[in-house]
Amino acid sequence: GESVGLHLPTLSVQEGDNSIINCAYSNSASDYFIWYKQESGKGPQFIIDIRSNMDKRQGQRVTVLLNKTVKHLSLQIAATQPGDSAVYFCAETSYGKLTFGQGTILTVHP
Amino acid sequence: DTGVSQDPRHKITKRGQNVTFRCDPISEHNRLYWYRQTLGQGPEFLTYFQNEAQLEKSRLLSDRFSAERPKGSFSTLEIQRTEQGDSAMYLCASSLVDNGANVLTFGAGSRLTVL
Repeated sequence: GESVGLHLPTLSVQEGDNSIINCAYSNSASDYFIWYKQESGKGPQFIIDIRSNMDKRQGQRVTVLLNKTVKHLSLQIAATQPGDSAVYFCAETSYGKLTFGQGTILTVHP
Repeated sequence: DTGVSQDPRHKITKRGQNVTFRCDPISEHNRLYWYRQTLGQGPEFLTYFQNEAQLEKSRLLSDRFSAERPKGSFSTLEIQRTEQGDSAMYLCASSLVDNGANVLTFGAGSRLTVL
């Protein structure tokens, strides 16, 4: 079946660096994508979303890029802070449900 | 509005017992979702409702699992004859579909441990 996956399971960065988290998806019919952040003991928290008719969307310190040709999604975090340390999931929606990838653990060192 | 609430936050039970989780969504949201998450994995879809109608169920949802949303507001997820493999975090989320956007807001989850 369709799946959403991540290239890197872990990412360690220094405080102040930029972080890039990647995601590959396999359902070419997906038309909406979301990045979530999950801290230990908490539910996933919305970060940013993007529709399939867009290539890029920016939020506060975060940017999502979508490449439909290669079915690739990325999340860029500028000036990464220790509070950004968490597991990051990409997810795609089709027909009502949200399908999550495995996740990338981001660790930010002070 | 305090967001999505789940109860209980933690449940420890013996194998073979029944358990029930409750979810109170954001009041203006019309969709409610149940997911299961095990350590190191992303949330896995179980089922979702639009208002009181259950629109989709995953193949993961065996006949021991049943979810209801009787009045289109809160929902319950019951697991009968629990097995150790049912140990996981059960996440509830709600959303309001708006012009194609469907941002799910998650609760903190109910952690189940089956001994």
